Amino acid sequence: NAGVTQTPKFQVLKTGQSMTLQCAQDMNHNSMYWYRQDPGMGLRLIYYSASEGTTDKGEVPNGYNVSRLNKREFSLRLESAAPSQTSVYFCASMMGELFFGEGSRLTVL
Amino acid sequence: LAKTTQPISMDSYEGQEVNITCSHNNIATNDYITWYQQFPSQGPRFIIQGYKTKVTNEVASLFIPADRKSSTLSLPRVSLSDTAVYYCLVGDVYGSGNTGKLIFGQGTTLQVKP
Repeated sequence: NAGVTQTPKFQVLKTGQSMTLQCAQDMNHNSMYWYRQDPGMGLRLIYYSASEGTTDKGEVPNGYNVSRLNKREFSLRLESAAPSQTSVYFCASMMGELFFGEGSRLTVL
Repeated sequence: LAKTTQPISMDSYEGQEVNITCSHNNIATNDYITWYQQFPSQGPRFIIQGYKTKVTNEVASLFIPADRKSSTLSLPRVSLSDTAVYYCLVGDVYGSGNTGKLIFGQGTTLQVKP
């Protein structure tokens, strides 16, 4: 039982490059979330998916897109990365409480 | 959406009891109150959850007054390993598969000293 798995764990991008962060959960949860956490700051909600087939914007959705591929997987895409998107990205699934992945550390140069 | 307010930081000494209060004035009827702990370079992890009155587990207690507009996380006899950031999260987490936005506040950084 792996819980919530995020890939990659580390990534360095150049400004303007695109990439997708992958997230998968094996707990059969309906709801999944993407947060970002800047150094020394709290978590900010980017997008969430309350159930398979639905996605909704969070607090800071600009510059990101998401796909709820199936019940297990929820990916986050940066189409044209900017230095302001340098952050740690956490995926979580939820059933009464949030279960977080280990995070993906993204640096945009 | 219920906005939460917590103290930004707190200091304590080993062996003391620590109480962290969270204000959530516009909590909705279906909202639960959940507290998370986060260590550096890790995702937050669940500590305790409640709806009303008092909840206790092996690591903490949660006190919720009748009006539910605030809650207090109580950590008994803290140790150095309790140094972390603590978040109070308020939301409808049992919404029959259609749960909504779960917005974290700024959290409380607890520093436990020897």
